[in-house]
Amino acid sequence: SAVISQKPSRDICQRGTSLTIQCQVDSQVTMMFWYRQQPGQSLTLIATANQGSEATYESGFVIDKFPISRPNLTFSTLTVSNMSPEDSSIYLCSVAPDTYNEQFFGPGTRLTVL
Amino acid sequence: KQEVTQIPAALSVPEGENLVLNCSFTDSAIYNLQWFRQDPGKGLTSLLLIQSSQREQTSGRLNASLDKSSGRSTLYIAASQPGDSATYLCAARIVNYGQNFVFGPGTRLSVLP
Repeated sequence: SAVISQKPSRDICQRGTSLTIQCQVDSQVTMMFWYRQQPGQSLTLIATANQGSEATYESGFVIDKFPISRPNLTFSTLTVSNMSPEDSSIYLCSVAPDTYNEQFFGPGTRLTVL
Repeated sequence: KQEVTQIPAALSVPEGENLVLNCSFTDSAIYNLQWFRQDPGKGLTSLLLIQSSQREQTSGRLNASLDKSSGRSTLYIAASQPGDSATYLCAARIVNYGQNFVFGPGTRLSVLP
């Protein structure tokens, strides 16, 4: 299994500002994912972040709005840029050691944009 | 479009009852299917992972089955307890979706004491 931590756990931000969320894993993993969970909804994949390559974004998500860094095999950041109230969500990072293994999640970052 | 659905959307049962949660996926070409539990405002806790070649997995009072040909998985919870109250999500890792997971909308379970 993998233990994942996220910072911050929650934040309240003003419209137009940006927030960077950190995700730290206790072991080296190739595949890391960022998800958004809007209030009352299920999880939507934002992007896949593999070390050493550019993040791959899903339809509806763009790098200018959600830039991602993956400097090494245990760490990643997601920035939510130029925030609006519609960005209020829980943001979750997850890892999967490989295609056939479980996916493990961090505790999430609860973001409220005023 | 890859799609995962879950039935029912919500379920309320008295303590001690056995119950079944259902998950359906449109693309039968999957690597595996995973069941999660999510408590309000929290992250996801992995419950069970079933590989595409397996029929079922068990952990304590939980049993998950997989019928890949029909695109269905069920999560069976025996002797439910109030502590089982949470939202249960299934996620299919789909071959034709870049090895990514597609999540269902979840089943919100309430177990009444």
